[in-house]
Amino acid sequence: QSVLTQPPSASGTPGQRVTISCSGSSSNIGRNYVYWYQQFPGTAPKLLIYRSNQRPSGVPDRFSGSKSGTSASLAISGLRSEDEADYYCATWDDSLSGWVFGGGTKLTVL
Amino acid sequence: QITLKESGPTLVKPTQTLTLTCTFSGFSLSTSGVGVGWIRQPPGKALEWLALIYWDDDKRYSPSLKSRLTITKDTSKNQVVLTMTNMDPVDTATYYCAHRDNMHDAFDIWGQGTMVTVSS
Repeated sequence: QSVLTQPPSASGTPGQRVTISCSGSSSNIGRNYVYWYQQFPGTAPKLLIYRSNQRPSGVPDRFSGSKSGTSASLAISGLRSEDEADYYCATWDDSLSGWVFGGGTKLTVL
Repeated sequence: QITLKESGPTLVKPTQTLTLTCTFSGFSLSTSGVGVGWIRQPPGKALEWLALIYWDDDKRYSPSLKSRLTITKDTSKNQVVLTMTNMDPVDTATYYCAHRDNMHDAFDIWGQGTMVTVSS
């Protein structure tokens, strides 16, 4: 049972815009930045979004992040087949004094 | 270019202690704001943060695993070591180490991971 709640799956067709949600609480998302990771099978996670809405160098602007209250979202516009991967949200939890991850969302491009 | 690589046993027996080493290059763990963390992922499951050590030797541990974990650093060797005691089959996972600094405030560069199986 993850501290952050994500839908287990999401899907879309090429060109569509999809969003993946991440729900937390006042001790984590409510007080801290949210981070998003992309992970392909058999590989290490890659940082996609930091400080809730910032993209590291090299990450396409098709990926965007937002946060409101105790929830956050990752949006992917102009969906491509190569976006098919697992996506994880993460943040610091002040009550636990530690990093927490969401359960992950498997994105399928139909 | 920042790189990290995990090393350690691929198979440990229940109740044994696991020792993993993260050897890195491209940054110094004596630079202000820099940290190295450990994260694991059981097969087919989600990521779980384990521990984090900062440049000033501040250490943070997952509350649920704190009693079993120890993280240390050797700045001269560019290594971070994680030990986990009393291993159990549920600890079977891929273990990753990752770099953290003030630029992204998160684990921005990850090692390739090392798979550890706990079985008798």
